[in-house]
Amino acid sequence: AQKITQTQPGMFVQEKEAVTLDCTYDTSDPSYGLFWYKQPSSGEMIFLIYQGSYDQQNATEGRYSLNFQKARKSANLVISASQLGDSAMYFCAMREGGASGSARQLTFGSGTQLTVLP
Amino acid sequence: EAGVTQSPTHLIKTRGQQATLRCSPISGHTSVYWYQQALGLGLQFLLWYDEGEERNRGNFPPRFSGRQFPNYSSELNVNALELEDSALYLCASSRFPNTQYFGPGTRLTVL
Repeated sequence: AQKITQTQPGMFVQEKEAVTLDCTYDTSDPSYGLFWYKQPSSGEMIFLIYQGSYDQQNATEGRYSLNFQKARKSANLVISASQLGDSAMYFCAMREGGASGSARQLTFGSGTQLTVLP
Repeated sequence: EAGVTQSPTHLIKTRGQQATLRCSPISGHTSVYWYQQALGLGLQFLLWYDEGEERNRGNFPPRFSGRQFPNYSSELNVNALELEDSALYLCASSRFPNTQYFGPGTRLTVL
């Protein structure tokens, strides 16, 4: 089974509007972290936001917020007031295991290509 | 603070050759991770180094190997290159076990 699922291959949003990018995950580990990265056409992966499985509140970083619904195993990224520079590929990723866990690598979803229209 | 750096930016090799990719982590980060992003295959974990030791590797053949140096920089070696090794290779670093920050990548083309 896919550990990270992003069901929207492509999304369009009008400049200045908000957009939600979907991400669902699958893990039996009680301790995990969820990440969103942005990858512009240049290729570099830019860290946007992090949510820990034990965090009580949804994470926010500027215009980015993470809508974390643990029971539904979803971690959707909300971008408010979209800008033209937000056009990029967005990846949801998960790291399983707590501080004593042996696995530290990220498992990535297939990504969502976001296009912001002027 | 300088970010993760990778060299070279682009690398062109022919089948059967060896490729060496380099990564310098953010100062203070001891963990280095390598990922492969091949067309149509998404991002796949290759290797994780921490404090000079290989801690974990992904589902890749042994011809993918690497090492981490005492200054925490890392090298990824790919032997006996095959056409399907053509990909963007991304290096990330973290102050274990926190957020991974990525470099700009090395685009490897195998002809």
